[in-house]
Amino acid sequence: KNEVEQSPQNLTAQEGEFITINCSYSVGISALHWLQQHPGGGIVSLFMLSSGKKKHGRLIATINIQEKHSSLHITASHPRDSAVYICAVGGITQGGSEKLVFGKGTKLTVNP
Amino acid sequence: EADIYQTPRYLVIGTGKKITLECSQTMGHDKMYWYQQDPGMELHLIHYSYGVNSTEKGDLSSESTVSRIRTEHFPLTLESARPSHTSQYLCASSYGGMNTEAFFGQGTRLTVV
Repeated sequence: KNEVEQSPQNLTAQEGEFITINCSYSVGISALHWLQQHPGGGIVSLFMLSSGKKKHGRLIATINIQEKHSSLHITASHPRDSAVYICAVGGITQGGSEKLVFGKGTKLTVNP
Repeated sequence: EADIYQTPRYLVIGTGKKITLECSQTMGHDKMYWYQQDPGMELHLIHYSYGVNSTEKGDLSSESTVSRIRTEHFPLTLESARPSHTSQYLCASSYGGMNTEAFFGQGTRLTVV
């Protein structure tokens, strides 16, 4: 079982729909990251949060530390939002150093 | 916009060749990372560095090596490429630990034939 689980794995929506992507984790964390990966492969950091809620434009991220769960919401989705969304949490390597543990990602396709 | 660059973006190379994937950042970050990502799979840490002359292996075993002679430069080398090395390699940097923002390069998609 992965330490970071995302759902759904794939999501297809119509333009304008409200999108929710979920992330559950089983490790203790210092922070949770939401990342966006476009087909070309590059990754962009969307949010980093350790409590509560953050909003940036049409994107909203929430985290519930007690339940070890985070959600990423996209309001008024647009075809340009089509990408893979990745959840990552801060963990500890076998050597005792910090590292990011990644989920497998949610592939979002928004149709016009 | 992130100031972290990877070259080349795409590389197709024959088995047995030596290759170096370049990663440079202009943000003055001490911490740099190399991740490997197979299609449809999660990223796995293969190397990291907390500063000049500091390099460590990550959790995923890799036959690659890295060096950190300058703060801004963190190249990854494969002495003898094999088809099993075919993957995407992503470089990242951050100014602090995992509770600080990470900046990623565009990635290098490597195919070994």
